[in-house]
Amino acid sequence: KQEVTQIPAALSVPEGENLVLNCSFTDSAIYNLQWFRQDPGKGLTSLLLIQSSQREQTSGRLNASLDKSSGRSTLYIAASQPGDSATYLCAADNYGQNFVFGPGTRLSVLP
Amino acid sequence: GAVVSQHPSRVICKSGTSVKIECRSLDFQATTMFWYRQFPKQSLMLMATSNEGSKATYEQGVEKDKFLINHASLTLSTLTVTSAHPEDSSFYICSAREPTSGIGNEQFFGPGTRLTVL
Repeated sequence: KQEVTQIPAALSVPEGENLVLNCSFTDSAIYNLQWFRQDPGKGLTSLLLIQSSQREQTSGRLNASLDKSSGRSTLYIAASQPGDSATYLCAADNYGQNFVFGPGTRLSVLP
Repeated sequence: GAVVSQHPSRVICKSGTSVKIECRSLDFQATTMFWYRQFPKQSLMLMATSNEGSKATYEQGVEKDKFLINHASLTLSTLTVTSAHPEDSSFYICSAREPTSGIGNEQFFGPGTRLTVL
């Protein structure tokens, strides 16, 4: 059974810092891995999707990497801004059967 | 990108009543939709997989008689919470796969429905 964990659970940084969010999964037989952002009381916003054959994806200040063999993915946020404050979730897609979400990292970027 | 909508966005009901939540794929046909539940400060947990024209597949521990799922068309799935109780209060989110997506069967998520049972 796939299990997804995220470290740290919460993170508070001053504006402008670069930061790394970590995601680990136990079953490396994934179809893809997706990173989401969730604002309080809101739905999910897809940030980046990395297919199993890829090693990384970039969008603006965000870069996500995937290492299937070690069961890890990282989300790198460059030059953080207060508007980046949210909960970041990673989810492993097990060959299209279902999505298993991690518990999330609550990020606060202080002005 | 593909858009998924949910209706209603927020519902408050009395204990014992039934509530229906709709999930629609607006610009694509979704043969498979998923229903998730999220309790406060917790992550999303998959409840069931909804397949167009067939019965839904429920995750372990989810009561199929309490959470009725219907996927009657390629653009609409409904979740009915029957005889709702306060412990059913939660944030319900649906998602749909866009099978022709060039980025590999990405799931697109609806905005969620906040259910409060008094």
